[in-house]
Amino acid sequence: AQSVTQLGSHVSVSEGALVLLRCNYSSSVPPYLFWYVQYPNQGLQLLLKYTSAATLVKGINGFEAEFKKSETSFHLTKPSAHMSDAAEYFCAVIRSGAGSYQLTFGKGTKLSVIP
Amino acid sequence: EAGVTQFPSHSVIEKGQTVTLRCDPISGHDNLYWYRRVMGKEIKFLLHFVKESKQDESGMPNNRFLAERTGGTYSTLKVQPAELEDSGVYFCASSQQLAGVVYEQYFGPGTRLTVT
Repeated sequence: AQSVTQLGSHVSVSEGALVLLRCNYSSSVPPYLFWYVQYPNQGLQLLLKYTSAATLVKGINGFEAEFKKSETSFHLTKPSAHMSDAAEYFCAVIRSGAGSYQLTFGKGTKLSVIP
Repeated sequence: EAGVTQFPSHSVIEKGQTVTLRCDPISGHDNLYWYRRVMGKEIKFLLHFVKESKQDESGMPNNRFLAERTGGTYSTLKVQPAELEDSGVYFCASSQQLAGVVYEQYFGPGTRLTVT
């Protein structure tokens, strides 16, 4: 079964510092991987997705993630944190080839940005 | 273009009562998904519609939950009777449909259900 593990339920960074949110996946077949963000009182918004094309994926708001098969990782990074990045971030996986493309989510990581 | 909408945004009910949640997907999206996040836990899949048909309902917790999507447009999720453990945020998502293609899912803002 496919699963994702997000390391760290809470991460704090200073404004302008590097953001690194970790996600490791478990999948017996090539996965589709996603990062979603939830701002306070809003729904989930897609940041970026990996669908077996380029291993370095660029998303919205300056975020990017690199798919590393050897490490079964899909960590999310941003070079310089902004106050507006404070939110909860979710890594998710879909098993390719399945008839139902349900997302399996990690537990989420709350990002705090310190001024 | 309007996004996925959900109604109500919040619902507080007593144990044993019935609640119906509604989701309106993005127009033209054949796939509709329900997910739930219980406090402190991860977001979990409940079920998946393709048009009006249930493609996968493996995540439905028990027979107190009934989902419908009559006419392949909006969907409702009824909880009857509600139990304390049903409290959480219920998300709806929709996506396009093409065989073998994985499209991104667009999420609504969620309905926060509190059972007291």
